[in-house]
Amino acid sequence: QVQLVQSGAEVKKPGASVKVSCKASGSTFTTYAMHWVRQAPGQRLEWMGRINAGNGNTKYSQKFQGRVTITRDTSASIAYMELSSLRSEDTAVYYCARGGSVYYYMDVWGKGTTVTVSS
Amino acid sequence: EIVMTQSPATLSVSPGERATLSCRASQSVNTNLAWYQQKPGQAPRLLIYGASTRATGIPARFSGSGSGTEFTLTISSLQSEDFAVYYCQQYNNWPPLTFGGGTKVEIK
Repeated sequence: QVQLVQSGAEVKKPGASVKVSCKASGSTFTTYAMHWVRQAPGQRLEWMGRINAGNGNTKYSQKFQGRVTITRDTSASIAYMELSSLRSEDTAVYYCARGGSVYYYMDVWGKGTTVTVSS
Repeated sequence: EIVMTQSPATLSVSPGERATLSCRASQSVNTNLAWYQQKPGQAPRLLIYGASTRATGIPARFSGSGSGTEFTLTISSLQSEDFAVYYCQQYNNWPPLTFGGGTKVEIK
């Protein structure tokens, strides 16, 4: 059974960075891609970026370009999303979600990590 | 960026009735469209991809149709577990991948 297990909730101060992890199990990590999607309270889902877990290639939403970095550790089957220069508007639930190398919908989702940005 | 617009924002339906949800794209996305279901406090779940193909384990009462800019998700006979928020997502032109604003299906 494919599972994505995310790291726990974070509370950060404005200007800080946060790094969220997503450990995959039940499938061959490097044959898929991993997306990161966030959802602010009461808001729609917002795509942040994607990494091809096989070759490490990344694509980001221009909205987050320069602030977000997605990486992976193939030996541990973990993907990471780091968001810097945090502001209050970054308070949201951050999801990792599996995609394919040739398909761009998301067929398996993690349970989400709540990131709260507050002074 | 392709803008996805869903309507209505809220749909009130009685159990056993049919629900029809709409999703419109600001430009053609061919059939590169997915639908997700999200219940309170949970992650989204993939229902439909390729505009009309049900994901693994999704009941046959869920069906998707459309192409180009107009899409529909139909739930033929609403069950209690179907009351949730539904999102569409285009993956034709990206980055960015974009989602609609969601339709909340509530009990009438």
